[in-house]
Amino acid sequence: GQNIDQPTEMTATEGAIVQINCTYQTSGFNGLFWYQQHAGEAPTFLSYNVLDGLEEKGRFSSFLSRSKGYSYLLLKELQMKDSASYLCAVRNSNYQLIWGAGTKLIIKP
Amino acid sequence: ETGVTQTPRHLVMGMTNKKSLKCEQHLGHNAMYWYKQSAKKPLELMFVYNFKEQTENNSVPSRFSPECPNSSHLFLHLHTLQPEDSALYLCASSQEFGAGNEKLFFGSGTQLSVL
Repeated sequence: GQNIDQPTEMTATEGAIVQINCTYQTSGFNGLFWYQQHAGEAPTFLSYNVLDGLEEKGRFSSFLSRSKGYSYLLLKELQMKDSASYLCAVRNSNYQLIWGAGTKLIIKP
Repeated sequence: ETGVTQTPRHLVMGMTNKKSLKCEQHLGHNAMYWYKQSAKKPLELMFVYNFKEQTENNSVPSRFSPECPNSSHLFLHLHTLQPEDSALYLCASSQEFGAGNEKLFFGSGTQLSVL
């Protein structure tokens, strides 16, 4: 079967750094996405990785290792507004999007 | 108005009711999607329309019936639902279905409760 694993919930402190991991087992690979979803709101696109390495976008960075089936989302200088769920999704060889269940990130003052 | 708009935001219905969810996108996209989101579960793709043609139907029960009259509008008609159908129903759009790096633009969803 195909599956995406990510932690259910994480807690971090305002101003700190947090890393949200995502491991995947899919039939082929055509890219990995991270989305952010605030409670009661629409998921919004954060990042896309298709090659190995780190993609940096402001306070957020996303890393991919295709050989390990592994990605992480790194959030720096955490702000209260970063409290949200973070969804990892992988596009397989059939161009289907396989989703993780999401990681709920709680930021404490 | 921009983005993807879904109505209603909340819906409570009995098992014998018939209701419809509406989605409209103002992004000029050609693909539209219905997803089901249940608590602590991955997003479940229900239907995909690409250039108004249905390209995906992931074994969704017939009590869910999609309709896509044009590239900007998508409906989900509901009838004789079950309590386990209670969930957040998300509409999304993208430039075209199947392109490698295309990202999805989601609406805020309809929170459905079936009593």
